[in-house]
Amino acid sequence: EAGVAQSPRYKIIEKRQSVAFWCNPISGHATLYWYQQILGQGPKLLIQFQNNGVVDDSQLPKDRFSAERLKGVDSTLKIQPAKLEDSAVYLCASSFTSGSQNEQFFGPGTRLTVL
Amino acid sequence: DQQVKQNSPSLSVQEGRISILNCDYTNSMFDYFLWYKKYPAEGPTFLISISSIKDKNEDGRFTVFLNKSAKHLSLHIVPSQPGDSAVYFCAATYTNAGKSTFGDGTTLTVKP
Repeated sequence: EAGVAQSPRYKIIEKRQSVAFWCNPISGHATLYWYQQILGQGPKLLIQFQNNGVVDDSQLPKDRFSAERLKGVDSTLKIQPAKLEDSAVYLCASSFTSGSQNEQFFGPGTRLTVL
Repeated sequence: DQQVKQNSPSLSVQEGRISILNCDYTNSMFDYFLWYKKYPAEGPTFLISISSIKDKNEDGRFTVFLNKSAKHLSLHIVPSQPGDSAVYFCAATYTNAGKSTFGDGTTLTVKP
């Protein structure tokens, strides 16, 4: 079974530039999550999708971050414009359903450096 | 307000000995807890979980204990192996929430 795919693995940009990350979840997984992990901290949920609908985006900085999952499969996360504090690893995860007892499967992450 | 706390940033143990990683939570609504393991340059992978209706769950060398009254859980690894060296994250969730709240992790080093 193929795991969660993410690209790119690394990205370096200057502040005020835009960047986009892509995620392809495990086939058949209805729920998709985007997390931000700052160095030394645990993953923090940015947005959760159930199929192509948003379940929770309460911690997404909507003035600069956006995400979509148009066909209920793969997803993109965009930052526009980027700030220095956005430097982090962006993790995508998926699970079969959104129930609390469903383990999440994580991709390798995209490490973003904003200069 | 951090709802899930792992107060020990790092832990070092000798191969063959027991590793005990601790986690505290503040939200009494949490009813399901998970441990994830993370190697460098990889995403976290699920290790073991426990429901709030239990106080212990065991899977091979890994055992998770839950003390609901103290809002505390711990992960025991016996015996510890060098390949267990990784960052361990405690996560908590509650029914119908779907999302998990993560602690900041504990870096475990198992010395040969």
